[in-house]
Amino acid sequence: DAGVTQSPTHLIKTRGQHVTLRCSPISGHKSVSWYQQVLGQGPQFIFQYYEKEERGRGNFPDRFSARQFPNYSSELNVNALLLGDSALYLCASSPGPGVEQFFGPGTRLTVL
Amino acid sequence: AQSVTQLGSHVSVSEGALVLLRCNYSSSVPPYLFWYVQYPNQGLQLLLKYTTGATLVKGINGFEAEFKKSETSFHLTKPSAHMSDAAEYFCAVSDSGGNTPLVFGKGTRLSVIA
Repeated sequence: DAGVTQSPTHLIKTRGQHVTLRCSPISGHKSVSWYQQVLGQGPQFIFQYYEKEERGRGNFPDRFSARQFPNYSSELNVNALLLGDSALYLCASSPGPGVEQFFGPGTRLTVL
Repeated sequence: AQSVTQLGSHVSVSEGALVLLRCNYSSSVPPYLFWYVQYPNQGLQLLLKYTTGATLVKGINGFEAEFKKSETSFHLTKPSAHMSDAAEYFCAVSDSGGNTPLVFGKGTRLSVIA
């Protein structure tokens, strides 16, 4: 069975640009969460979506937004990129909230 | 609010030696506790989890962890380290209802010396 997939694998942007990261959950999973992992740190929660509704949001500025589509895939958007947005962005899916999350391989974003 | 403290950002052991990675948590509600492993340039893989019931939890690859409520700890152990265990290990906590997202520690990098 296919696991969580994320695209692209790597991305290089310049300050001020906009980026869209994509995530496809495991088949049958209806919940998707996004995490940011800065080099040398643990992942930090950004968003959780369940059944296309936002269930939770971490302590991130409004430049970060996300959505979940009818097929349960998800996009994370970041506007006005800053150097500090350089990180590994992880997507995790689960059948629902409160159930074990399965992580994708991540998208490595570099902001120059 | 919940938080996780992992003692030691880097642990080095010899092949065949005991692995002990420390995790202490803070939670105002009964916690769910997790250990994840991350290999270079990869995502996170769940090693084991504590939800309810038995406090000694066995996971994949010979790892186990014990939930000690009185010590607010969830240390990860493996009796005999293997070269393939070299990776970054993260402890995480959420509330027992799953209503809060995972809160991760800063991670411990495990090196295994031949």
